[in-house]
Amino acid sequence: GNSVTQMEGPVTLSEEAFLTINCTYTATGYPSLFWYVQYPGEGLQLLLKATKADDKGSNKGFEATYRKETTSFHLEKGSVQVSDSAVYFCALRGGQAGTALIFGKGTTLSVSS
Amino acid sequence: DAGVTQSPTHLIKTRGQQVTLRCSPKSGHDTVSWYQQALGQGPQFIFQYYEEEERQRGNFPDRFSGHQFPNYSSELNVNALLLGDSALYLCASSFRLAGYEQYFGPGTRLTVT
Repeated sequence: GNSVTQMEGPVTLSEEAFLTINCTYTATGYPSLFWYVQYPGEGLQLLLKATKADDKGSNKGFEATYRKETTSFHLEKGSVQVSDSAVYFCALRGGQAGTALIFGKGTTLSVSS
Repeated sequence: DAGVTQSPTHLIKTRGQQVTLRCSPKSGHDTVSWYQQALGQGPQFIFQYYEEEERQRGNFPDRFSGHQFPNYSSELNVNALLLGDSALYLCASSFRLAGYEQYFGPGTRLTVT
């Protein structure tokens, strides 16, 4: 069945450091891929998405490229800020999952000044 | 424009009891999905409602049931509560003709004692 695997956290960085959070997926068909962010005490917010192979999603300085050959959708940011501290979830939709979102377990990012 | 709203915010129930959680979708949305997020885990899909019918269901027992009303709002009911049902319950709304991009509410924190 469909599944998403994220790197284990927590990830602890200093302000202005480079961020990579790895995400790989298993799916039949051609899923859409997403990154969601959850700030403390809040619900999930869509950060970025990509709907087909080689698409690059980007938002607020974050980027991720849909790599079908490696079944990956790694999240990157060139210079993190303290305000980026949150939990990040990789997710897919489509294929056997239909319209439901299938999430990874989440990666906690903590950025210090 | 109000986003997705959920009530109540927090709830404490005793094992064996029944609970009802409520969700109002974002204006213009016609589809509601429910997710369970256990502590430290990613959200897991429970079911999705469209046109007042359950359209897709995840791997949850029949103790979990739902309803969608003509105004597109939705309820999640859980019977015979177990300690393991303690979680954050998230509602997400979407518009079928806009590709089911899902917007999440802040969630209801359910504690079963």
